[in-house]
Amino acid sequence: DADVTQTPRNRITKTGKRIMLECSQTKGHDRMYWYRQDPGLGLRLIYYSFDVKDINKGEISDGYSVSRQAQAKFSLSLESAIPNQTALYFCATRGTGTDTQYFGPGTRLTVL
Amino acid sequence: QKEVEQNSGPLSVPEGAIASLNCTYSDRVSQSFFWYRQYSGKSPELIMSIYSNGDKEDGRFTAQLNKASQYVSLLIRDSQPSDSATYLCAVLNNAGNMLTFGGGTRLMVKP
Repeated sequence: DADVTQTPRNRITKTGKRIMLECSQTKGHDRMYWYRQDPGLGLRLIYYSFDVKDINKGEISDGYSVSRQAQAKFSLSLESAIPNQTALYFCATRGTGTDTQYFGPGTRLTVL
Repeated sequence: QKEVEQNSGPLSVPEGAIASLNCTYSDRVSQSFFWYRQYSGKSPELIMSIYSNGDKEDGRFTAQLNKASQYVSLLIRDSQPSDSATYLCAVLNNAGNMLTFGGGTRLMVKP
């Protein structure tokens, strides 16, 4: 079984809809991240969390919100989706005292 | 100016050659640097990390860091078609809480 899972893997939605992307991990890591990837722009950090009570904005948090329901679960919400939020979204985890981030398989989101 | 810069490529090399991938960064106080490989449609995976000036070798991969020039590179010796992927350079900020990625360089190794 994968250590970092994301659901759904693909989603097509319409402008104005509320969308939630979910991330779960079995690695026991306390740090979790949400990134989006656009062609030629690499990965950009949306939000990160170092424990259940710690939520921090990243580089591009506008239009997004997150929830850390448990150490193993970190959800990303788009309150009112817009077409320029069409992208590939990755969740990642990292253990305390290490620098390596482990990525989930990604969610491809299309906003029409 | 983007904080981490990479040539988008594609960089095309013949099988068996050395592939050289380059990255520059703007935050002078950064201390930790990473190379991730991403196959098409897949998630990034870490292949090298480097923290000190100089070279770090791991199998066919060598990472090189020059903090004075704010430059980090990745050399792949004896390139194989299976090395064809996008290589992402990433820099950890001094606080250790945020990783900034470059746009990636697409490498194509031709048989």
